[in-house]
Amino acid sequence: QSALTQPPSASGSPGQSVTISCTGTSSDVGGYNYVSWYQQHPGKVPKLMIYEVSKRPSGVSDRFSGSKSDNTASLTISGLQTEDEADYYCSSYAGINNFAVFGGGTKLTVL
Amino acid sequence: QITLKESGPTLVKPTQTLTLTCTFSGFSLSTHGVGVGWIRQPPGRALEWLALIYWDDDKRYSPSLKSRLSITKDASKYQVVLTMTDIGPVDTATYYCAHRPIYTHFFDYWGPGTLVTVSS
Repeated sequence: QSALTQPPSASGSPGQSVTISCTGTSSDVGGYNYVSWYQQHPGKVPKLMIYEVSKRPSGVSDRFSGSKSDNTASLTISGLQTEDEADYYCSSYAGINNFAVFGGGTKLTVL
Repeated sequence: QITLKESGPTLVKPTQTLTLTCTFSGFSLSTHGVGVGWIRQPPGRALEWLALIYWDDDKRYSPSLKSRLSITKDASKYQVVLTMTDIGPVDTATYYCAHRPIYTHFFDYWGPGTLVTVSS
């Protein structure tokens, strides 16, 4: 059982927006602004999409955005494209003795 | 350009000790604030953080696996080594090493991963 809770699946049509949630506790998501999101296509390496809740690394489309409220973080993908179909994992810093906890992952299907 | 690559056995017998090496380039583990971590992913399952070593040799381990893990570095060789004792079938996974940027809490560059199968 993963430390952070994500819905196992999400879906949307091309052009639509979809939001994936990531629920933790006050010891991780709620306690720090250090939530990150990773995209993983089948058989590929995870790719950093969002860090520190809402910041995008260079080269990541601005269609990807992140936010947080209390113990729940969210990843929103707007203007869905077929290439967005992938697994998405959230991660949070959880204190000095627990650098990173991950969510169980959400499989995004672009219908 | 930052690159990392994992190496080690692909097949390990139960109860043995697994040793994996991460060889990296494009950054130095002597630079203040930098870290290298290990993350694993069982087939079809979620990512799990295992360990992290900092530039100053400080080390952090997953609380659930702390008793079985050891992480070391050789900055001059640009290598980080992870050992995991008392391996079992549940440890079958792809093991990734990744770069932690200066004073941050995420991984921005990952190695391609190495699949380790535990079986007798």
